[in-house]
Amino acid sequence: DSGVTQTPKHLITATGQRVTLRCSPRSGDLSVYWYQQSLDQGLQFLIQYYNGEERAKGNILERFSAQQFPDLHSELNLSSLELGDSALYFCASSTQGYEQYFGPGTRLTVT
Amino acid sequence: AQSVAQPEDQVNVAEGNPLTVKCTYSVSGNPYLFWYVQYPNRGLQFLLKYITGDNLVKGSYGFEAEFNKSQTSFHLKKPSALVSDSALYFCAVRDNAGTASKLTFGTGTRLQVTL
Repeated sequence: DSGVTQTPKHLITATGQRVTLRCSPRSGDLSVYWYQQSLDQGLQFLIQYYNGEERAKGNILERFSAQQFPDLHSELNLSSLELGDSALYFCASSTQGYEQYFGPGTRLTVT
Repeated sequence: AQSVAQPEDQVNVAEGNPLTVKCTYSVSGNPYLFWYVQYPNRGLQFLLKYITGDNLVKGSYGFEAEFNKSQTSFHLKKPSALVSDSALYFCAVRDNAGTASKLTFGTGTRLQVTL
């Protein structure tokens, strides 16, 4: 168990809908990262937050947004969902910026 | 831009034999390198890292990795494979741009250990 929690584990929704994925980092970790894992794109970095502030942005679509709250948990919002957004979404956290510890992921299925 | 390559989609090895999973990297500056393992329907588990120091890095579950600067490689090794080591292995490199520390992953290598 990495200490990073993600909810929900599974999410099934229809095209055009909006969902929110939630992540709680390990105790004491200030950085939160979001990654997307799909068969065709592999593991892709989406966005990083550090102590509430956006720190780095990767291949994140404009339809996607994230935030980190004062208690350091983070949410990833996905809107106007398309079939191609179906993937595993991972949250990770770190303290010194070296190794990152990953949560179990949220499997999103868009139908 | 930094990148890592895992040239083998799958590695097959018999239990008890040594295993090697290959990774090469491309970075500007000093590389920060990592290996992760993913079991079915699970998140990624950190195995080991190279930041600086000894070229042979020891990690979890008996795994080790050899950093070779001249060959820009960071191969994962284990002296004696177990069936339970069968999983998907990812090599990753860390972005060293200031406080941004995203990981760039390779495409993954599936390790199959058979009896």
